[in-house]
Amino acid sequence: KQEVTQIPAALSVPEGENLVLNCSFTDSAIYNLQWFRQDPGKGLTSLLLIQSSQREQTSGRLNASLDKSSGRSTLYIAASQPGDSATYLCAVKSSASKIIFGSGTRLSIRP
Amino acid sequence: DGGITQSPKYLFRKEGQNVTLSCEQNLNHDAMYWYRQDPGQGLRLIYYSQIVNDFQKGDIAEGYSVSREKKESFPLTVTSAQKNPTAFYLCASSTGQRGSNQPQHFGDGTRLSIL
Repeated sequence: KQEVTQIPAALSVPEGENLVLNCSFTDSAIYNLQWFRQDPGKGLTSLLLIQSSQREQTSGRLNASLDKSSGRSTLYIAASQPGDSATYLCAVKSSASKIIFGSGTRLSIRP
Repeated sequence: DGGITQSPKYLFRKEGQNVTLSCEQNLNHDAMYWYRQDPGQGLRLIYYSQIVNDFQKGDIAEGYSVSREKKESFPLTVTSAQKNPTAFYLCASSTGQRGSNQPQHFGDGTRLSIL
């Protein structure tokens, strides 16, 4: 059974720092891995989608990596800004219809 | 603009009452999903539908029911059998092709509380 874990549950850093969020999964047989952002009381916004055959994806200040053999993905945020404060969730697609979500990392960027 | 609309934003349920959450999308997506999110937890799948007039149970379907009579609509009913319905409910859609790697799009959610 696929399990997705995100540690830490919460993270606070000063503005301008580069930071890394972690996601681990137990079954390496995945279709893809996706990172989402969730603002308080809102739905999820897709940030990056990494296919199982890819190693990383980049969008602006965000870079996501995927290492299937070790069951890990990281989301790198460069030059963090207060507007980056949100909860970040990773989700693993382990079958045509099955997507497993982590519980998220609540990120706070201090001005 | 294309997107997913969930209504209402807040909903209150009395004991023994059924309530229905609305989800409408104009993205022309085949697949639609309902998730439940509890505080500090990830999303858990309630029901999903890959095509009109067909839907499948997710991991926590007990106490819930759905219908998919139109491509753009996927309402969720929280029945009185659901003993702990207080949660944030999210609807999502995707192109839904089998094996598709398209990202899911989400609505802004409905927060359901018990009176």
